[in-house]
Amino acid sequence: DSGVTQTPKHLITATGQRVTLRCSPRSGDLSVYWYQQSLDQGLQFLIHYYNGEERAKGNILERFSAQQFPDLHSELNLSSLELGDSALYFCASSPDTTGGLRVTQYFGPGTRLTVL
Amino acid sequence: AQKVTQAQTEISVVEKEDVTLDCVYETRDTTYYLFWYKQPPSGELVFLIRRNSFDEQNEISGRYSWNFQKSTSSFNFTITASQVVDSAVYFCALSEANTGNQFYFGTGTSLTVIP
Repeated sequence: DSGVTQTPKHLITATGQRVTLRCSPRSGDLSVYWYQQSLDQGLQFLIHYYNGEERAKGNILERFSAQQFPDLHSELNLSSLELGDSALYFCASSPDTTGGLRVTQYFGPGTRLTVL
Repeated sequence: AQKVTQAQTEISVVEKEDVTLDCVYETRDTTYYLFWYKQPPSGELVFLIRRNSFDEQNEISGRYSWNFQKSTSSFNFTITASQVVDSAVYFCALSEANTGNQFYFGTGTSLTVIP
């Protein structure tokens, strides 16, 4: 158990819908990262938040957005869903120092999204 | 260009055999970090090891060992006396100090240990 929690574990929805995935980082970790794992794209970095502020963006679609709240939990919002958005979405957290050293990311169990 | 290459897509070994998973990385940064993660059939990503670019000492942890060679940009992972529980997908990842906080993952190597 990494200490990172994600809800829900599974989500089934229809095309065109909007969903919200939730992540709680490990106690004390200020950084939250979101990744998408699909069969054809592998593990792709989406976005990174540090203490409420967006720090880096990867291959995140405009239909997707994220935020990190004052209590440090994060939500990933996926809208206008398409069949191709079906994937495993991981959240990870790390205890980044203020110096920005890259440290280990601990991953949550993932949310499996199925778009029908 | 792929920053992390795991050329072995699938490997099958018989229980108790040794197996080495290859990882080749590409970076221009002098400071970077390399990682191995395990993804068992249950789906979660389990952290195994982190290595800093300035520390080339090899590491052993039980049946696991890692060989980091900057000269060949490789960070290979060896499982000694493999067990069925080692069956999983293994990912190598790179994080660069100067180009953002994201991880670059390889495509993974699926290891099957046959009893």
